Amino acid sequence: EVQLLESGGGLVQPGGSLRLSCAVSGFTLSSYAMSWVRQAPGKGLEWVSTISGSGGSTYYADSVKGRFTISRDNSKNTLYLQMNSLRVEDTAVYYCAKSDGYNSGALEYWGQGTLVTVSS
Amino acid sequence: DIQMTQSPSTLSASVGDRVTITCRASQSINSWLAWYQQKPGRAPKLLIYKASSLESGVPSRFSGSGSGTEFTLTISSLQPDDFATYYCQQYNSYPWTFGQGTKVEIK
Repeated sequence: EVQLLESGGGLVQPGGSLRLSCAVSGFTLSSYAMSWVRQAPGKGLEWVSTISGSGGSTYYADSVKGRFTISRDNSKNTLYLQMNSLRVEDTAVYYCAKSDGYNSGALEYWGQGTLVTVSS
Repeated sequence: DIQMTQSPSTLSASVGDRVTITCRASQSINSWLAWYQQKPGRAPKLLIYKASSLESGVPSRFSGSGSGTEFTLTISSLQPDDFATYYCQQYNSYPWTFGQGTKVEIK
């Protein structure tokens, strides 16, 4: 059974940092692209970042480029999102999601989400 | 960036109704389109991928069609469990983009 479990969310002041983790099981992490998608309170879905199966290719939304870094440790079956220089507008539930392909693909499995609140 | 526009934003329907949601892309995305269902407080769930392929385990009353710039999600006979918000998403090119969502409400 495929499972994705996010952790690391919480309350942080503007300008602060957080690292989100997504522990996966039930599939070989290195065989699939993985993504982070966020949803601000009462708003729609926003794609944040994607990393290829090998980790050699990464992609970011303009809104987070230069501040967020996606990475993966296939040996630990874990995906990460390092978030620096956080802004109030980064407040959202952050979901990790598994694609159905090595470099890209529809998001076939999602975690339950972790809430990040950026506030003073 | 490719803009995804869904219509309508809200849809009121009754159990048993046939429901159609449209998603338009600002440029061609071939068939690299997915549809998701989201219920309050829950993660999105993949319904359709590659525009018309039904995800395993999803009821056959859901179907997708289209290619290029215009796509539709159809629910052939709306069931109580289908009242939710639906999103389209293009994964043809980065940055990936979602539609703004269509909320299906009980009439």
